[in-house]
Amino acid sequence: QQQVKQSPQSLIVQKGGISIINCAYENTAFDYFPWYQQFPGKGPALLIAIRPDVSEKKEGRFTISFNKSAKQFSLHIMDSQPGDSATYFCAASMSQGGSEKLVFGKGTKLTVNP
Amino acid sequence: SAVISQKPSRDICQRGTSLTIQCQVDSQVTMMFWYRQQPGQSLTLIATANQGSEATYESGFVIDKFPISRPNLTFSTLTVSNMSPEDSSIYLCSVDRTGAGEQFFGPGTRLTVL
Repeated sequence: QQQVKQSPQSLIVQKGGISIINCAYENTAFDYFPWYQQFPGKGPALLIAIRPDVSEKKEGRFTISFNKSAKQFSLHIMDSQPGDSATYFCAASMSQGGSEKLVFGKGTKLTVNP
Repeated sequence: SAVISQKPSRDICQRGTSLTIQCQVDSQVTMMFWYRQQPGQSLTLIATANQGSEATYESGFVIDKFPISRPNLTFSTLTVSNMSPEDSSIYLCSVDRTGAGEQFFGPGTRLTVL
């Protein structure tokens, strides 16, 4: 049972363009939605995260848009750079007895061409 | 964030043997997690390891195959027992320092089973 569906599986963007990755979730009990960036051979790095009480969060070139009614959230990377080329994972979690377990999407491999 | 190290960074093992992976954190944390990331795939939670209690395993993972120790608030080990080629994966530990859901990952241990 896949609780977080991520698309697209891969994405190619030109330098300076906007990269958009989408995720949809099923469980309305989820209350934390992070995005992770993973380079080959490295562990995932927390990029940006949002909670359901806001519809958008921006940090530098990275923005999360959140639509609670549609149970969807997306990552926008503005002015995409070749250094952004990585695999991006969305995730979701809920408070369960004090330990918030992350459920990950399948990932999006982003390639930014120079 | 947190500084997390894992040992070994990679290993090649023979079928039927066991490998113990260490995870060390630079500060005390209550919640630690162990994930598996199969080649080119997403992350799957193996178990939650909180100090002072038995590890909690996710569906499909059992203690006999993946015993976990959590002797203190900065250290944990995951053992992959009686390995088969299907166990070839990256194994990652993560920590949640605040209980607010922000998980920070170690660099991972790349395991190849022949």
